[in-house]
Amino acid sequence: AQRVTQPEKLLSVFKGAPVELKCNYSYSGSPELFWYVQYSRQRLQLLLRHISRESIKGFTADLNKGETSFHLKKPFAQEEDSAMYYCALLTGGGNKLTFGTGTQLKVEL
Amino acid sequence: GAVVSQHPSWVICKSGTSVKIECRSLDFQATTMFWYRQFPKQSLMLMATSNEGSKATYEQGVEKDKFLINHASLTLSTLTVTSAHPEDSSFYICSASSQLAGEGWETQYFGPGTRLLVL
Repeated sequence: AQRVTQPEKLLSVFKGAPVELKCNYSYSGSPELFWYVQYSRQRLQLLLRHISRESIKGFTADLNKGETSFHLKKPFAQEEDSAMYYCALLTGGGNKLTFGTGTQLKVEL
Repeated sequence: GAVVSQHPSWVICKSGTSVKIECRSLDFQATTMFWYRQFPKQSLMLMATSNEGSKATYEQGVEKDKFLINHASLTLSTLTVTSAHPEDSSFYICSASSQLAGEGWETQYFGPGTRLLVL
């Protein structure tokens, strides 16, 4: 069965420090992975997806099939990056999302 | 573009009553809509997948007679929690899936959620 694991519930970093939010997945098919972000009191929104290979708000994520990982990285954290981040895997014939448990990122001054 | 609304944003009801939650895609037509449930400090759990004009597909463990889903049009899906009980209290989130112009793939766009409290 498919599974998405985000080992850290809370990650606290100082402003300007590098950030890495970990995500590992388990899936027998060809994975399509996403990062969603939820800012305080706002709805869940798509941050990036691996097939587009974009960099959004300075964040990047590379799919590593050997390690079954899709870690989210940013070289220099900003205060406005503080939010809840969810890693998600597309399954079910290509239209269902399986979410990880989320990581709360707190960027301190 | 790609805005999804939910109504109401929060609702309090008595045990045994039914509650209807609406999910609308405001500026696009959604091929598929999804309903999720989120408990405090936990992840989103998919409840069901809904396609316009057909019966919803429920995830394992979700009672279809308890959580009635109607997808009447390409822009509206409703979730009715029937005979609600306190354990149904939760945050319910819908999403609408579409492939927007200029994109090569479908994306799920999420509503703001509805908080249900059953007394």
